[in-house]
Amino acid sequence: SQELEQSPQSLIVQEGKNLTINCTSSKTLYGLYWYKQKYGEGLIFLMMLQKGGEEKSHEKITAKLDEKKQQSSLHITASQPSHAGIYLCGAPRGEYGNKLVFGAGTILRVKS
Amino acid sequence: GAGVSQSPSNKVTEKGKDVELRCDPISGHTALYWYRQSLGQGLEFLIYFQGNSAPDKSGLPSDRFSAERTGGSVSTLTIQRTQQEDSAVYLCASTHQFFGPGTRLTVL
Repeated sequence: SQELEQSPQSLIVQEGKNLTINCTSSKTLYGLYWYKQKYGEGLIFLMMLQKGGEEKSHEKITAKLDEKKQQSSLHITASQPSHAGIYLCGAPRGEYGNKLVFGAGTILRVKS
Repeated sequence: GAGVSQSPSNKVTEKGKDVELRCDPISGHTALYWYRQSLGQGLEFLIYFQGNSAPDKSGLPSDRFSAERTGGSVSTLTIQRTQQEDSAVYLCASTHQFFGPGTRLTVL
């Protein structure tokens, strides 16, 4: 199994609905990155969480880090077609946290 | 530049040929990472450069893969004697894990 498990693997939501994507680690989390990717394109940085209990928001996207549960959640409010894509979480690993391990991604489709 | 740039954006090659992929990090960023994204394996770390320190090559899948970073800026990832399983998107990131658009490599 993967070190970072994302759920769900995919989801389809109606435009305007809220949704949550989870990222659960099998190891201690020392931080967590969230990215969005459109097919065939690079990763767009969304936000980075560094401390347990930290919560960040950007436009309609909010992410939280729960250190105790070794989990992060990404919440999108009032989804729009522009939110469609693949959402990836990445956790720092290595002696100095100098590389990321990634989850398999969550594919989001937003129906108009 | 304003962001991480990579070239070429697409590369098609024949099995057994060597390829070079280029990454231009954000100006002033001292860290540079190479990752690979493939259907079967997801996103995997390959190699990490930090300033003048010895690179962390722990993610390179075989000795056919090598990378250089000249002058602390531009990096080149070289794959020798390419195999079909090398087909993937090769992504570069600089400090704070800001990613470039990637190079899609297809080995026929």
